Amino acid sequence: DARVTQTPRHKVTEMGQEVTMRCQPILGHNTVFWYRQTMMQGLELLAYFRNRAPLDDSGMPKDRFSAEMPDATLATLKIQPSEPRDSAVYFCASGLVDLFEGYTFGSGTRLTVV
Amino acid sequence: DQQVKQNSPSLSVQEGRISILNCDYTNSMFDYFLWYKKYPAEGPTFLISISSIKDKNEDGRFTVFLNKSAKHLSLHIVPSQPGDSAVYFCAAMSQGGSEKLVFGKGTKLTVNP
Repeated sequence: DARVTQTPRHKVTEMGQEVTMRCQPILGHNTVFWYRQTMMQGLELLAYFRNRAPLDDSGMPKDRFSAEMPDATLATLKIQPSEPRDSAVYFCASGLVDLFEGYTFGSGTRLTVV
Repeated sequence: DQQVKQNSPSLSVQEGRISILNCDYTNSMFDYFLWYKKYPAEGPTFLISISSIKDKNEDGRFTVFLNKSAKHLSLHIVPSQPGDSAVYFCAAMSQGGSEKLVFGKGTKLTVNP
């Protein structure tokens, strides 16, 4: 059963530290998304890639967040420096845009910045 | 500005009855709509979708209705089961555009035995 794998599942870090979250999309999927879930905002889109090229990162605070896809099997979301307001669950999702059947989400990384 | 709105944060129904979850959208460019279901500590999972060329799509106990003129869609679950208790997210996209999913804030459904 194909799945999107996210690591780590949980991360507790101190304010000011760098945080890197990783995502392995489903093999063959050409679109990868990063979403953040908070109580106030629900699921908000941070960035997404198609065929590894960044298409939209307008949802990310540019000064501290960065998203990359170094290869087709790995997407990363980095926060530097982290702040308490970044505490949330971060989801990665992947899909095949040309054969749209809904995007598949990973189980998320729960980030707590203290 | 929220383009996809789920105005009911929570809904409680009795097992066996119908659950109706509602969703409104403001962007007329949206032409594909989806419902996702989310259990605690898991990622959202795709449940059912509907294209704007249809007004109804059914899959087992789940039916989604789309009213384009009102920019409104709803998810009906009949009969509701305790295992349906989860957060349900409505999402919309423009297939000819960026194809990114815009989500509502979710409705927490509780089905009581």
